Amino acid sequence: QKEVEQDPGPLSVPEGAIVSLNCTYSNSAFQYFMWYRQYSRKGPELLMYTYSSGNKEDGRFTAQVDKSSKYISLFIRDSQPSDSATYLCAMSITGGFKTIFGAGTRLFVKA
Amino acid sequence: NAGVTQTPKFQVLKTGQSMTLQCAQDMNHNSMYWYRQDPGMGLRLIYYSASEGTTDKGEVPNGYNVSRLNKREFSLRLESAAPSQTSVYFCASVPGQGAYEQYFGPGTRLTVT
Repeated sequence: QKEVEQDPGPLSVPEGAIVSLNCTYSNSAFQYFMWYRQYSRKGPELLMYTYSSGNKEDGRFTAQVDKSSKYISLFIRDSQPSDSATYLCAMSITGGFKTIFGAGTRLFVKA
Repeated sequence: NAGVTQTPKFQVLKTGQSMTLQCAQDMNHNSMYWYRQDPGMGLRLIYYSASEGTTDKGEVPNGYNVSRLNKREFSLRLESAAPSQTSVYFCASVPGQGAYEQYFGPGTRLTVT
């Protein structure tokens, strides 16, 4: 079993939809959670990061962490065609030096 | 700030040739990483350097060597390239000191024929 599981998709939604992207994990020691966006043929770009449980909002993006369920989510409101990309979740142990990445979910937002 | 820069952007090698991928960051980050990304495999850690002067193996270190030249620069060397090393290589850096988010470079696309 992988430490981090992420549905690869693809996920196709119409413009303006609310998108929910999710990851599950098995290691309860993870405390630092991140979401990256990767456009085709580009490097991953950090979108948001959260520490421990709770929500964090940044514009149209909201990150949620549910440590009791070992489940993290990224919500995108009012999705735009420019949001079409691969989204990777990632997580780290406090004090550790390695980050574990999910395989990524490909998102297509249709105009 | 340029962030994380990588050179070259593209490279084609013949089997058995050697090359060094260069990475530099101007954010005064402590830790630096090398990943490879292959279709369906996600990001796999090759080597990392937790701080200047230290390097450690990651998940897939065979066939690679690294050098942390100074705090800014972290290079990845392929001594004898193999077709299995055809991939996209990303360098990343992490602030450290309680911050764990990784900042990535634009990548190097390597083809070994």
